[in-house]
Amino acid sequence: QTVVTQEPSFSVSPGGTVTLTCGLSSGSVSTSYYPNWYQQTPGQAPRTLIYSTNIRSSGVPDRFSGSILGNKAALTITGAQADDECDYYCVLYMGSGIWVFGGGTKLTVL
Amino acid sequence: EVQLVESGGGLVQPGRSLRLSCAASGFTFDDYAMHWVRQAPGKGLEWVSGISWNSGGMAYADSVKGRFTISRDNAKNSLYLQMNSLRPEDTALYYCAKAADYSNSRGGFEYWGQGTLVSVSS
Repeated sequence: QTVVTQEPSFSVSPGGTVTLTCGLSSGSVSTSYYPNWYQQTPGQAPRTLIYSTNIRSSGVPDRFSGSILGNKAALTITGAQADDECDYYCVLYMGSGIWVFGGGTKLTVL
Repeated sequence: EVQLVESGGGLVQPGRSLRLSCAASGFTFDDYAMHWVRQAPGKGLEWVSGISWNSGGMAYADSVKGRFTISRDNAKNSLYLQMNSLRPEDTALYYCAKAADYSNSRGGFEYWGQGTLVSVSS
């Protein structure tokens, strides 16, 4: 069974830029996987940042962007802020109506 | 404003059943696919099931296939999840999510509810 991979943790300095990735245990991610990115703070519901690779959800600032980098989907955060510190999840479409989430990345801003 | 309000969660014994509901408002419900996603305590997100705009397409995670049934009533702007033969590992916060497309096989999840908690324990 194909696993969706994410970095377990990542650190970025305030004002810095960070790129989180979303890959496959076997194969390459393309736009056909409709990669999505979600942000979740403790005790809150997920918030959609990006869907269908690079479409920013309503109200999401343009310092969040999605793309395909090499064989992975990527979420780039520019001008990192303290309240960006939380968990980030990606999800990929695997075909036959099936979606699979990655294990999430805990982002620290320090 | 898109609103998704889940209900129906609670404490249930293993092997019993529960039906979750999601009331949708703020958008044309029958224009979009819908999904259920769950999150066990302290764990990550897990996609559970999705249904297309007209119920013509449905899919389930392997972990719930054969036990859970997704459905929708477009006249009532409501999404449902019938959960049978519940197991302790089904314990989670269950979120209703609006898709970004009419198909459950494209786009992804655009808006989320606040979730309803299901606890399976004897």
